[in-house]
Amino acid sequence: ETGVTQTPRHLVMGMTNKKSLKCEQHLGHNAMYWYKQSAKKPLELMFVYSLEERVENNSVPSRFSPECPNSSHLFLHLHTLQPEDSALYLCASSQEGPNSGNTIYFGEGSWLTVV
Amino acid sequence: GQNIDQPTEMTATEGAIVQINCTYQTSGFNGLFWYQQHAGEAPTFLSYNVLDGLEEKGRFSSFLSRSKGYSYLLLKELQMKDSASYLCAVEDSNYQLIWGAGTKLIIKP
Repeated sequence: ETGVTQTPRHLVMGMTNKKSLKCEQHLGHNAMYWYKQSAKKPLELMFVYSLEERVENNSVPSRFSPECPNSSHLFLHLHTLQPEDSALYLCASSQEGPNSGNTIYFGEGSWLTVV
Repeated sequence: GQNIDQPTEMTATEGAIVQINCTYQTSGFNGLFWYQQHAGEAPTFLSYNVLDGLEEKGRFSSFLSRSKGYSYLLLKELQMKDSASYLCAVEDSNYQLIWGAGTKLIIKP
């Protein structure tokens, strides 16, 4: 069982829907991340939270809205998505924020299909 | 720009040895990670190199040459369960993780 759990594992949504992805980490870490993984492309960092404060937003479209209510939970709210947003969305956590040698632990991801 | 290059796909035989290469051009260097990702599963940490040389961990070893911007992951005594994608990632001078697109390794009996 992974220390980082994501729900739902699979999601199909229309372009006008509003949905949310949920992530919970059981590792006592202080930083959490959202990544986008598309086929044959490098992982794309979307958001980083350290101690519940957003420290990085890599120019992600506003149709993706993160929320970090505490150090163990992270949400990604989805609204008016486009078909090209279909991908695997990975949540991750680490002991500290971005730092040298700081191992990142991933959840199993949420497969998102936008129709 | 920052770039990580690794082969898209490799095929090897069960019981053999395979070397997966990773070359990088980044703004500074603070460390290099290798992750394994089975289809439909989470990427899992394999190794971390910050100094030049070879780090051995069981059947897996990882090598780094900072002067050449080069690393490889060496897998020995290949097993069918080693079929997976292997992701190389470099931590740049700002501690940003730059990821490669991954190498899909196919193991044949």
